[in-house]
Amino acid sequence: DTAVSQTPKYLVTQMGNDKSIKCEQNLGHDTMYWYKQDSKKFLKIMFSYNNKELIINETVPNRFSPKSPDKAHLNLHINSLELGDSAVYFCASTEFGRAGELFFGEGSRLTVL
Amino acid sequence: SQQGEEDPQALSIQEGENATMNCSYKTSINNLQWYRQNSGRGLVHLILIRSNEREKHSGRLRVTLDTSKKSSSLLITASRAADTASYFCATDGDYGGSQGNLIFGKGTKLSVKP
Repeated sequence: DTAVSQTPKYLVTQMGNDKSIKCEQNLGHDTMYWYKQDSKKFLKIMFSYNNKELIINETVPNRFSPKSPDKAHLNLHINSLELGDSAVYFCASTEFGRAGELFFGEGSRLTVL
Repeated sequence: SQQGEEDPQALSIQEGENATMNCSYKTSINNLQWYRQNSGRGLVHLILIRSNEREKHSGRLRVTLDTSKKSSSLLITASRAADTASYFCATDGDYGGSQGNLIFGKGTKLSVKP
């Protein structure tokens, strides 16, 4: 009965490769996010989708392409991976406009070698 | 840019003691939230306080908000080893044109020794 689930939990890959992280929520929320947490634990929003529509894109390189096939899923595809992409990526969801809590997944740790 | 700034960066206490963490922010807010992150896990929401509230309680947690000083504090009373985690404040509001997203601070790492 996991609320927000991400796969994979760990991802180790070489520079230049393309990889995807998947996220699904079963909370019935209409808004989903991708956050990036760096090695110093600083958490920064990357994207936000509301009902499959992109509403926030926080100056993320266009190598990162989110895709939302429906409001319960938000995937993140990363092209031409760079060393600086190494981080933990968190998916989160909420109900838009309620200014309430975010529900986070367990994170996907990406290591680029 | 970063909105919240927690203080201290790290805090080590004995079980049973109280832990106080502070958060300062820069722009006006609609509400402020606190989250906990256990090592290797996702963030878990603890409490939300609205801009027109000054204090809020939830179990062993007490949060205060001073909008004139743009600061908030989180007090954990009678701490337990299981409270060991990083604690983040997050603010919401019409920030940088990206209304609706949360802006997180860098967190306070709390260690509670048994």
